[in-house]
Amino acid sequence: DIRMTQSPASLSASLGETVNIECLASEDIYSDLAWYQQKPGKSPQLLIYNANSLQNGVPSRFSGSGSGTQYSLKINSLQSEDVATYFCQQYNNYPRTFGGGTKLELK
Amino acid sequence: EVQLVESGGGLVQPGRSMKLSCAASGFTFSNYGMAWVRQAPTKGLEWVATISYDGSSTYYRDSVKGRFTISRDNAKSTLYLQMNSLRSEDTATYYCTRCRLRRYFDYWGQGVMVTVSS
Repeated sequence: DIRMTQSPASLSASLGETVNIECLASEDIYSDLAWYQQKPGKSPQLLIYNANSLQNGVPSRFSGSGSGTQYSLKINSLQSEDVATYFCQQYNNYPRTFGGGTKLELK
Repeated sequence: EVQLVESGGGLVQPGRSMKLSCAASGFTFSNYGMAWVRQAPTKGLEWVATISYDGSSTYYRDSVKGRFTISRDNAKSTLYLQMNSLRSEDTATYYCTRCRLRRYFDYWGQGVMVTVSS
């Protein structure tokens, strides 16, 4: 199985700040990577697919980048509604696997 | 508007069976692969199974292979997950998801809780 390691596990940031979340795959996943946002008590929502493609309706302050085994999610100008847990997911191989999550809080 | 509404969860004893359903609307169900993803209490996300748009192909994680069966009825726009020989480690919220090209999950239901306990 491909292991997805996210860092940091938790993060505290101020409004307006830029935040970066990293995701490391145990092998090359050829940009077959998605990012999801899960707000407290809610279902996950797709933010990014194919490592850097923004899902329809997602604010442009979210962006994804990376290749090979290293990927990142960037949130520009952090808003209060961005408080959530973020997960990466690889779909290069079965079983589909997720990172452990990054919990983002406001400072 | 895409809607996925799960049903069928609850409390079940270890070793027993349970069937989850997911009613889909707002899109042409028969054009899309579908999947189940679960989340144990306070834990991360875990992919369970995927089915192709026509039901001809199915994929499972090893821990549920032989116990769970994913299926669909395109005439009823409904996805199913038959779960047999349930174990305590199957306790989780189960999400029905629409699966783009059998790869990533672009829409999620609200989730249904399954608790396996005696």
